[in-house]
Amino acid sequence: QSVLTQPPSVSAAPGQKVTISCSGNSSNIGNNYVSWYQQLPGTAPKLFIYDNNKRPSGIPDRFSGSKSGTSATLGITGLQTGDEADYYCGTWDSSLSAGVFGGGTKLTVL
Amino acid sequence: QLQLQESGPGLVKPSETLSLTCTVSGGSIGSSNYYWGWIRQPPGKGLEWIGSIFYSGTTYYNPSLKSRVTISVDTSKNQFSLKLSSVTAADTAVYYCARSPCGGSCYRGDHWGQGTLVTVSS
Repeated sequence: QSVLTQPPSVSAAPGQKVTISCSGNSSNIGNNYVSWYQQLPGTAPKLFIYDNNKRPSGIPDRFSGSKSGTSATLGITGLQTGDEADYYCGTWDSSLSAGVFGGGTKLTVL
Repeated sequence: QLQLQESGPGLVKPSETLSLTCTVSGGSIGSSNYYWGWIRQPPGKGLEWIGSIFYSGTTYYNPSLKSRVTISVDTSKNQFSLKLSSVTAADTAVYYCARSPCGGSCYRGDHWGQGTLVTVSS
């Protein structure tokens, strides 16, 4: 069971917008930065969002992140078939003194 | 460009120790303020953070694995390593090494290795 909670799956049509939620508590999301990763089938995770809402170089601005209290959200606009992947949230947990991840959300672009 | 590459046995027997090495190229482990860590992913499941190490030797471990895990660094070889003792079938996973620009109060993996599958079986 993951420390952070994500929906197992989300879906939307090409061109539409989707959001993926990530829920935690005051020991993790509530007091630490959140990052988001995209994992395409058979490949390593790739950092897409860090420090709650910053995008590494090369990540399209269709991807955005936000945080409120003990929850974080990844938003993707203008969905493309190439966005189909598993998405994971991650952060530091101050009580555990360890990194933690969500269980992952499978995005399907219908 | 920074690259990380995992290496080690792909098959380990139950009760034995899993040993993996991550070789870093395109950057020096010992001369930068980064943490170097391990994450694993059982087949068909999500990511699990194992632990990380700073070049000075400071380590952080997942509490659920702490009694069995040791992460070490060899700055002369630009490598860091993972040892997981007393393995069982539940330790079968793809093991990734990754770099984080911070540790101790934050974590984000900004560069990852391609991963290596380790199967625990007799």
